[in-house]
Amino acid sequence: EVQLVESGGGLVQPGGSLRLSCAASGFIFRNYAMAWVRQAPGKGLEWVSAINGNGGGTYYADSVKGRFTISRDNSKNTLYLQMNTLRAEDTAVYYCAKVGQECSSTSCYSYHYFDYWGQGTLVTVSS
Amino acid sequence: EIVLTQSPGTLSLSPGERATLSCRASQSVSSSYIAWYQQKPGQAPRLLIYGASTRATGTPDRLSGSGSGTDFTLTISRLEPEDFAVYYCQQYGVSPKFGQGTKVEIK
Repeated sequence: EVQLVESGGGLVQPGGSLRLSCAASGFIFRNYAMAWVRQAPGKGLEWVSAINGNGGGTYYADSVKGRFTISRDNSKNTLYLQMNTLRAEDTAVYYCAKVGQECSSTSCYSYHYFDYWGQGTLVTVSS
Repeated sequence: EIVLTQSPGTLSLSPGERATLSCRASQSVSSSYIAWYQQKPGQAPRLLIYGASTRATGTPDRLSGSGSGTDFTLTISRLEPEDFAVYYCQQYGVSPKFGQGTKVEIK
C-alpha cells in the first residue's frame, strides 16, 4: 500500500525558512517522480514543484522559483521541500504527491498527474 | 500558460441524479493530458481520471471522463452519497495547472 507522510509544517514569520519532509513507502521510491502541491485555506490546488526519480531534474512554479528547493534522498525514501524567504501568500496545506507513470513494453514515462497523495502539512506564515 | 475554467462553480443535485462537470482550457491540451480529482473536506485530493478518460484504480464506473482539445467533461451517471465533494480538473502538460473546482452539493 502506497503511503506518503508529510512533516515539518508549522508557524513561521515572514522572511523565515522551513523544510518539509515526506516519507514514502509501499512502492519503489527511486523509480518515480514526486511533487509538492499546496492549497491555501479555502482555496484550490496549486502545483508547487516536482523532481524526477534520480533527482537530476527539478521543476518549479513561477510563484516559488528562486525561493523553494525540492530534493530527495532515495536511500531514505524521503522527499523534501526547502522553503526560504517565506511570504504570507505561502500559507497553505502542503501535499506530497506521487507522479503518475505509464509504461510500454520497453520504457516508462512520467506524466504529471498525481496518483497518490499524503495527508498534508500546514504551513502558516504570519508575524 | 494554459488556464482551466471549471463550470458550474456549484452544482446542487439529489442522490440518483446525473452530474455533468465542465473543464474548459484556454488553449488546446496536448494528448488529452487532463486529470480529474475528488476532494472531501479535511482530506487530500484523490485521483479519479487521467488521460481525459482513463479511470484510476478504484474509480467506480459511474464516473466517466470525456473530451479533447479545449473541452473536457466529468460525468457522474447516478450520484451516490459519497460523490458529494469538490472536483478539480488538472492539465499536466508543461506546467501542471488546476481548475478552480466545482462543488457538488446535496440539493
